[in-house]
Amino acid sequence: EIVMTQSPATLSVSPGERATLSCRASQSVSSNLAWYQEKPGQAPRLVIYGASTRATGIPARFSGSGSGTEFTLTISSLQSEDFAVYYCQQYSNWPPLTFGGGTKVEIK
Amino acid sequence: EVQLLESGGDLVQPGGSLRLSCAASGFNLINYAMSWVRQAPGKGLEWVSLSSGGGDSTFYVDSVKGRFTVSRDNSKNTLYLHMNSLRADDTAVYYCAIHRVYYCFDHWGQGTLVTVSS
Repeated sequence: EIVMTQSPATLSVSPGERATLSCRASQSVSSNLAWYQEKPGQAPRLVIYGASTRATGIPARFSGSGSGTEFTLTISSLQSEDFAVYYCQQYSNWPPLTFGGGTKVEIK
Repeated sequence: EVQLLESGGDLVQPGGSLRLSCAASGFNLINYAMSWVRQAPGKGLEWVSLSSGGGDSTFYVDSVKGRFTVSRDNSKNTLYLHMNSLRADDTAVYYCAIHRVYYCFDHWGQGTLVTVSS
């Protein structure tokens, strides 16, 4: 099973600032990596797939990078609607499909 | 527009059974793999099960193998999760999700709450 580890667990950022979230895989997943945004009381929403491709409707301030075992989600200028929990997920080697533990982006 | 609507969540005693449904609209279920993903209270996301488009291939996380069964009725555009021998650690919101982009979960339902408690 591929274990996904996210850091930090919580990220405190001021609106307008940049947020950088990390995700590490226990073995290479190539570029088979997705990011999701989850807000309280809402279903998760796909943000990035293929490590760097924005999903439909996702603003350009969201960008993903990395391959192999190290990945980054960057939000270039945080807006109020971006404060949420973000999960990474690998779909390279499954079952099981596995998620990271999440990073909560909160208002500083 | 893709819509997924889960139902069937309830309070059930340990050892009990439950069937969840996921009614799909806006697309033909037979064309896509579908998954169930759960989220325990205050916890992260955990993939539970996947059904291939035709329903001929199914996959499960180890913790539910032998207890849960995923099925689908493509004529009704509905996905199911049959849950037996329920345990307290199965308590979670259960989401259904569609795989239209590789094996990412590119659209999710709103979820249905399963509570296992005596």
